[in-house]
Amino acid sequence: SYELTQPRSVSVFTGQTAKITCSGETLSNQYAYWYQQKPGQAPVLVIFKDNARPAGIPERFFGSSSGTTVTLTIAGVQAEDEADYYCQSADNSMTYVMFGGGTRLAVL
Amino acid sequence: QVELVQSGSEVKKPGASVRVSCMASAYTFANYPITWVRQAPGQGLEWMGWINTKTGDPTYSQDFRGRVVFSVDTSVRTTFLDISSLKTEDTALYYCAAVVPSVGGAFDIWGQGTKVTVSS
Repeated sequence: SYELTQPRSVSVFTGQTAKITCSGETLSNQYAYWYQQKPGQAPVLVIFKDNARPAGIPERFFGSSSGTTVTLTIAGVQAEDEADYYCQSADNSMTYVMFGGGTRLAVL
Repeated sequence: QVELVQSGSEVKKPGASVRVSCMASAYTFANYPITWVRQAPGQGLEWMGWINTKTGDPTYSQDFRGRVVFSVDTSVRTTFLDISSLKTEDTALYYCAAVVPSVGGAFDIWGQGTKVTVSS
């Protein structure tokens, strides 16, 4: 199937580690991408090809993959990391592209 | 600076049509396909499809096939999204984004979004 499932919300205290999961059958053989979206702003790419960080993204953002689940880890969460996070995947020809439902990260 | 600039907000009545534009600057326009993403109020991201900016060939998500048309005018480095027979549930923010090969085909450059409101 082409569905990606994320938890609706994750809460962590400042300085702790946040883990946001994304599950879907397609992830076993397709790359995952992660986007951060703050209120009133366009999404920003934070992880590509499962675990690569674009230029300018802080080193505290990590991506990992295991089977049909990918995980975005934010180590030492800061207040500015509070946002919605979306995973995304696609088939090789971009005929099917899907987003997860999004996870709201609350920084306490 | 590499950026995508979208057209301004629109208010339309049900049954009308709307055109949203997305202009690219500061990069070779034909190098990056453009994808369109919808975000309804308070909701998540929804992929609508993409267009090959070299050939003009579109690919539509099954959920949007039939009422949505993508087109491109390379002379003005602009991609267009046309939606016909608008419904109130089409009220949303519409984003264009460039598909960038150097980051594995991720959507790495985003427009600022265009708000479309459909209301009688």
